[in-house]
Amino acid sequence: GENVEQHPSTLSVQEGDSAVIKCTYSDSASNYFPWYKQELGKRPQLIIDIRSNVGEKKDQRIAVTLNKTAKHFSLHITETQPEDSAVYFCAASPNTDKLIFGTGTRLQVFP
Amino acid sequence: GAVVSQHPSRVICKSGTSVKIECRSLDFQATTMFWYRQFPKQSLMLMATSNEGSKATYEQGVEKDKFLINHASLTLSTLTVTSAHPEDSSFYICSASGSGGAGWTDTQYFGPGTRLTVL
Repeated sequence: GENVEQHPSTLSVQEGDSAVIKCTYSDSASNYFPWYKQELGKRPQLIIDIRSNVGEKKDQRIAVTLNKTAKHFSLHITETQPEDSAVYFCAASPNTDKLIFGTGTRLQVFP
Repeated sequence: GAVVSQHPSRVICKSGTSVKIECRSLDFQATTMFWYRQFPKQSLMLMATSNEGSKATYEQGVEKDKFLINHASLTLSTLTVTSAHPEDSSFYICSASGSGGAGWTDTQYFGPGTRLTVL
């Protein structure tokens, strides 16, 4: 089955710097890759997603890149702000019935 | 759009009792609902996938007789933890995907979660 690895597990950056989180997946059939942000005790919120027919997608300060050949995808956050502090999860969808999540990255943005 | 509610948000019960958690899609038809379990500082572990009107599909290692899932309508799924024990204490989160304003049918929208504590 699908396996998703995520790195780093923790990431600390200064406000205004960029943050990059990387994920790799194992199932070449996966074709949908969402990223979720989860604040402590709250629900995961979808922040951006990408499908296998594109290589990059951007939404303001957030971008996601996908390399299907290498089976990895990354989340890029520019001009980080303290409110970006949260746990970020990547996921891969081997079919329309499920998402397999990475282990999460705890991002801390220091003012 | 694409709002998912979950009830209750917190529940404390005695060992041996059963607890029912409801998951509702408020503004779209959820053809598929998912139930996850999340331990502190860990990732989301998929427990089961349910499609409206059919039996749930459980992930390996999840006891279907202990975690009863019902998806009776396009807007409601329930998870019942039967004969709960302290090791069942966890954060349970549902998600839903579907049609009618929820974007792509594979996009999952999460409920706020239910924190279950079994004494």
